[in-house]
Amino acid sequence: DTGVSQDPRHKITKRGQNVTFRCDPISEHNRLYWYRQTLGQGPEFLTYFQNEAQLEKSRLLSDRFSAERPKGSFSTLEIQRTEQGDSAMYLCASSQTGTGVQPQHFGDGTRLSIL
Amino acid sequence: SQQGEEDPQALSIQEGENATMNCSYKTSINNLQWYRQNSGRGLVHLILIRSNEREKHSGRLRVTLDTSKKSSSLLITASRAADTASYFCATARINTDKLIFGTGTRLQVFP
Repeated sequence: DTGVSQDPRHKITKRGQNVTFRCDPISEHNRLYWYRQTLGQGPEFLTYFQNEAQLEKSRLLSDRFSAERPKGSFSTLEIQRTEQGDSAMYLCASSQTGTGVQPQHFGDGTRLSIL
Repeated sequence: SQQGEEDPQALSIQEGENATMNCSYKTSINNLQWYRQNSGRGLVHLILIRSNEREKHSGRLRVTLDTSKKSSSLLITASRAADTASYFCATARINTDKLIFGTGTRLQVFP
């Protein structure tokens, strides 16, 4: 179990630029989640996948945000035309479907700062 | 938006003391989970309690759930400096895996 890996750990960019983050889940996990966390708050759900299918997407997710998981393994989250309000920690988590509820395992996140 | 709130927002105690955190939520749930987050890191799953359970133990952790009051508590006994972190409750509704987190309690344990 190598854990959930996120890349990059930190991203600084100018307003209006596009950014893309990558998440590699635990290898046998078929569910993958994206959350966003601002300072002093709990994580907010953005979207989740089962294998390559995107099962649910938050209404918080504007048209500038898109997530993919093309082969059911790693996932990318892209933010187009970044705004200062996008500054946050973006967290990825994975879990395995099985008997009963399975806990989610989180990566250490990508911290995005918009100048 | 956050599902609910945690109380207190911050808690400072000495090593060896017990720490109690409370969580309130708004809607019916399938289960409630507690996570720990060290500064600048991801969240670590601590314990899960299902909606038909009232109490659960794991090592020094004790969780209670009162679905009639839509509230839960997390008790950490004999706290250690290494327990210093933020603690979040998270709820999941039926037929969805997405977690709705509370606002968190920042716990500081002094040696």
